[in-house]
Amino acid sequence: GAVVSQHPSRVICKSGTSVKIECRSLDFQATTMFWYRQFPKKSLMLMATSNEGSKATYEQGVEKDKFLINHASLTLSTLTVTSAHPEDSSFYICSVLDRGIEQYFGPGTRLTVT
Amino acid sequence: ELKVEQNPLFLSMQEGKNYTIYCNYSTTSDRLYWYRQDPGKSLESLFVLLSNGAVKQEGRLMASLDTKARLSTLHITAAVHDLSATYFCAVEETSGSRLTFGEGTQLTVNP
Repeated sequence: GAVVSQHPSRVICKSGTSVKIECRSLDFQATTMFWYRQFPKKSLMLMATSNEGSKATYEQGVEKDKFLINHASLTLSTLTVTSAHPEDSSFYICSVLDRGIEQYFGPGTRLTVT
Repeated sequence: ELKVEQNPLFLSMQEGKNYTIYCNYSTTSDRLYWYRQDPGKSLESLFVLLSNGAVKQEGRLMASLDTKARLSTLHITAAVHDLSATYFCAVEETSGSRLTFGEGTQLTVNP
């Protein structure tokens, strides 16, 4: 299966600041990547679908101006949490779609906003 | 809107016992996935079920899919402690599209 990396694995930031999370497809070119959020003891919730070269498609209830997604190349998508608040603290997981068949998940990024 | 329900949500079982986790979904789909998640970690893919009647087995785990009943099962045989984790099913509405996850089943296998 595809190899996906995320950076950083953990980040702590102060309330009001912005933080960028990178998702990289290491062994193939991914035109589609997905961003999920997982709160403690909860399931994964899709935030947005990231398409290379076009605007991301956000799920209902996800603020596109707060969660900025850029998929500028076939191997990299970034998620920027702007003006972070403590309630944004969560586990953020990206996935890449391999040949339109299966999603492969990154190792996740744990964000803590103080 | 696609809904995916798992039960039970919590499962405590003894080593050596068998049990089944159920995953029901609300709309037509023939693509279902099972994942394992250990605490603090991301998802590990267990099974991909792509057609009605599909059955896959890996070690002590076996997954099946009945698209007519909109039901998938994950059967655990002779559980061991190493199987303790949270198990998620996820349904894909159409090929290459978004996944909708179940709530997860937190499995604890006791010695």
